[in-house]
Amino acid sequence: QKEVEQNSGPLSVPEGAIASLNCTYSDRGSQSFFWYRQYSGKSPELIMSIYSNGDKEDGRFTAQLNKASQYVSLLIRDSQPSDSATYLCAVNAESTFGNEKLTFGTGTRLTIIP
Amino acid sequence: NAGVMQNPRHLVRRRGQEARLRCSPMKGHSHVYWYRQLPEEGLKFMVYLQKENIIDESGMPKERFSAEFPKEGPSILRIQQVVRGDSAAYFCASSPPDTSYEQYFGPGTRLTVT
Repeated sequence: QKEVEQNSGPLSVPEGAIASLNCTYSDRGSQSFFWYRQYSGKSPELIMSIYSNGDKEDGRFTAQLNKASQYVSLLIRDSQPSDSATYLCAVNAESTFGNEKLTFGTGTRLTIIP
Repeated sequence: NAGVMQNPRHLVRRRGQEARLRCSPMKGHSHVYWYRQLPEEGLKFMVYLQKENIIDESGMPKERFSAEFPKEGPSILRIQQVVRGDSAAYFCASSPPDTSYEQYFGPGTRLTVT
């Protein structure tokens, strides 16, 4: 079983609609959860972090965390063509040295259709 | 506020040569992480360093790879006797010395081994 799983996509969403990205993780000791956006040929850009159960909103982005279900999601409202990218889910993996190491999913490729 | 800096951005090496990748963390950040992204694969953790200390190198290949973060100067990822399978994007990330675990990525070094 993969440690962090994401739907590989590709996911196509019409402009102005809501894009929903999902992620599950296997390590119940995980404490911190992140969403990164990566444009083709570029580096990952941190867009959301979430640490406790529930929703966290930042502009058009909402992260949702359910630790009991080991599930984290990202909603993008009013999708724009500039949101077309690969979205990476990252989870801090509990380790001997602390919780700093991040484990990434393979990413979901999102395309916003004008 | 300058972000994470990496150089070179592109590096071409012949099989058997050495590759040196450099990373300067964001100002105020004392934690450095190296990740590798192989073509069509996810980001994989390699090593986590603080000044003059390797904290977690559980993701580093046992041979040919080494990393350091000296008291002065950038962090360096060194790959000796490169092989074609080392061709990848190598990203450095840094985080501040608190417990947020948010990691910010540099632009990456794209290593091509011919």
